[in-house]
Amino acid sequence: TQLLEQSPQFLSIQEGENLTVYCNSSSVFSSLQWYRQEPGEGPVLLVTVVTGGEVKKLKRLTFQFGDARKDSSLHITAAQPGDTGLYLCAGAHASGGSYIPTFGRGTSLIVHP
Amino acid sequence: DTAVSQTPKYLVTQMGNDKSIKCEQNLGHDTMYWYKQDSKKFLKIMFSYNNKELIINETVPNRFSPKSPDKAHLNLHINSLELGDSAVYFCASSRVHFSGNTIYFGEGSWLTVV
Repeated sequence: TQLLEQSPQFLSIQEGENLTVYCNSSSVFSSLQWYRQEPGEGPVLLVTVVTGGEVKKLKRLTFQFGDARKDSSLHITAAQPGDTGLYLCAGAHASGGSYIPTFGRGTSLIVHP
Repeated sequence: DTAVSQTPKYLVTQMGNDKSIKCEQNLGHDTMYWYKQDSKKFLKIMFSYNNKELIINETVPNRFSPKSPDKAHLNLHINSLELGDSAVYFCASSRVHFSGNTIYFGEGSWLTVV
């Protein structure tokens, strides 16, 4: 069972379009993170959301944490080719006295010029 | 300066061989991780170490043995390599054991077993 479900799995759009990526779980998370991974590189943190209902903006990217802290979304306005990459959400899953950093399966985004 | 560096970046080897991947972080972090990313891009944690102590061991075959000589290094040794071990292996670190703090990843080691 995947703790963090991401959708859509793949997204291919034209430059200038808007898009939203979702990260859902049946579990409550104390925080959720979004990472972007470009081809040939490791994931890089974009944002951490902590408070239920929180909205954070990073230029054209808007991140929202659900009120119940079970889901999050990433909205990109006027996508550019430089936004192409794999977007991963991550959360801390408690297991055996430790927190396990768990990633969703990712959304692969391609923005065509 | 690379924060988390791992070597080698590419490794092609035959089934049955033993290989190691080395990782070093210069961020002064207490915790280091090994992740495996499969061909479908699923990033799955394998191990975590906090101050050289094993914290997480996620049902990884015992052919995989991590070694942390100090808190800045976490190496991964793999015995008797199998075709299914082909993947990208990422080393990572965080200031303390993950509870929402940032994880810094290396660039990955592409392992191909033939």
